[in-house]
Amino acid sequence: KQEVTQIPAALSVPEGENLVLNCSFTDSAIYNLQWFRQDPGKGLTSLLLIQSSQREQTSGRLNASLDKSSGRSTLYIAASQPGDSATYLCAVHGGSQGNLIFGKGTKLSVKP
Amino acid sequence: GAVVSQHPSRVICKSGTSVKIECRSLDFQATTMFWYRQFPKQSLMLMATSNEGSKATYEQGVEKDKFLINHASLTLSTLTVTSAHPEDSSFYICSARGAANEKLFFGSGTQLSVL
Repeated sequence: KQEVTQIPAALSVPEGENLVLNCSFTDSAIYNLQWFRQDPGKGLTSLLLIQSSQREQTSGRLNASLDKSSGRSTLYIAASQPGDSATYLCAVHGGSQGNLIFGKGTKLSVKP
Repeated sequence: GAVVSQHPSRVICKSGTSVKIECRSLDFQATTMFWYRQFPKQSLMLMATSNEGSKATYEQGVEKDKFLINHASLTLSTLTVTSAHPEDSSFYICSARGAANEKLFFGSGTQLSVL
């Protein structure tokens, strides 16, 4: 059974810092991995999608890497801003139905 | 990008009443829709998967008679929480995709509070 773990559970940094969020999964047989952002009481915003054949994806200040063999992904946020404060979720896509299995998230707080 | 609309965003109801949540794909045909539930400080957990025109497939531990899912068209799925109880209070979110292995798009979620 696939399990997704995110470390740390919470992170507080001053504005401007670069930071890394970690995600690990137990079953390397995945189709892809997605990073999402969740604002309190709101839905999910997809940030980056990495296919199983890819090593990384970049969007603006965000860079996500995938090491399928070791079951790990990282989300790198450069030059963090207070507007980046949110919970970041990692989810792996496995199986023919296409449902996602989520980690519990990392709650990020960027202080001005 | 594709848009999934979910309504209502928030609902407060009395114990014993039923609540219907709608999930619509606005600009694509959603052959498969998924319903998730998230309790505070917990992961999003898949409740059920529905394919258009078929009965939903429920995850273990999810009561199909309590959480009624209808996916009668390629653009609409509904989740009805029947005889809601306080323990059903949670954040419910739907997602949809077109063909297999395509990207999933999420609704904005519904915060259900049962008094």
